[in-house]
Amino acid sequence: QVQLQESGPGLVKPSQTLSLTCTVSGGSISSASYYWSWIRQPAGKGLQWIGRIYTSGNTYYNPSLKSRVTISVDTSKNQFSLKLTSVTAADTAVYYCARGGVATRDLDYWGQGTLVTVSS
Amino acid sequence: QSVLTQPPSASGTPGQRVTISCSGSSSNIGSNYVYWYQQLPGTAPKLLIYRNTQRPSGVPDRFSGSKSGTSASLAISGLRSEDEADYSCAAWDASLSLVFGGGTKLTVL
Repeated sequence: QVQLQESGPGLVKPSQTLSLTCTVSGGSISSASYYWSWIRQPAGKGLQWIGRIYTSGNTYYNPSLKSRVTISVDTSKNQFSLKLTSVTAADTAVYYCARGGVATRDLDYWGQGTLVTVSS
Repeated sequence: QSVLTQPPSASGTPGQRVTISCSGSSSNIGSNYVYWYQQLPGTAPKLLIYRNTQRPSGVPDRFSGSKSGTSASLAISGLRSEDEADYSCAAWDASLSLVFGGGTKLTVL
């Protein structure tokens, strides 16, 4: 059974960089059948896709966040990461990592989510 | 403001059939598959429907999806108390982004 687990600071100061890691267990992050995504959800609001990375290293980002986002993968640790720069209070949200199927293009496994608050 | 439009709330009584709508445009729903996610209170989203109508293994056949033009619907028949959750639709956009609806909170009365 594939499991994903987010980790990282729960509190980030405004203008700083938010950094999160997603550790994948029960499967290889190097499989060409999958891609890896980050999604966030502000309290009481809908889901917002942040971006995805393929095992080839190709990345795709939400145009509204593209200038501030970097997603990377570390196959040796079976992890992928999110960096979001110049954060503001509007970036406060629960951040989820998820696995996507290349063929089905769905998000079939999700982490439990981690709350990141941007505040001084 | 979400790209896909869903009603903020829906409700039904046990045993009833409920539908949740999702409206988009030609650049997303109109030209790509629709996905539905169920989010029980305090938990992560769970894939409910993929490729418009397909159910992942383990999802009861009480849940069904459909799509017509630039709109899609999720139907839940034989409503149960455990179906009380937020339901979100999603679709890939021509910009290669995944766009979501704002979510519909389903209450089982």
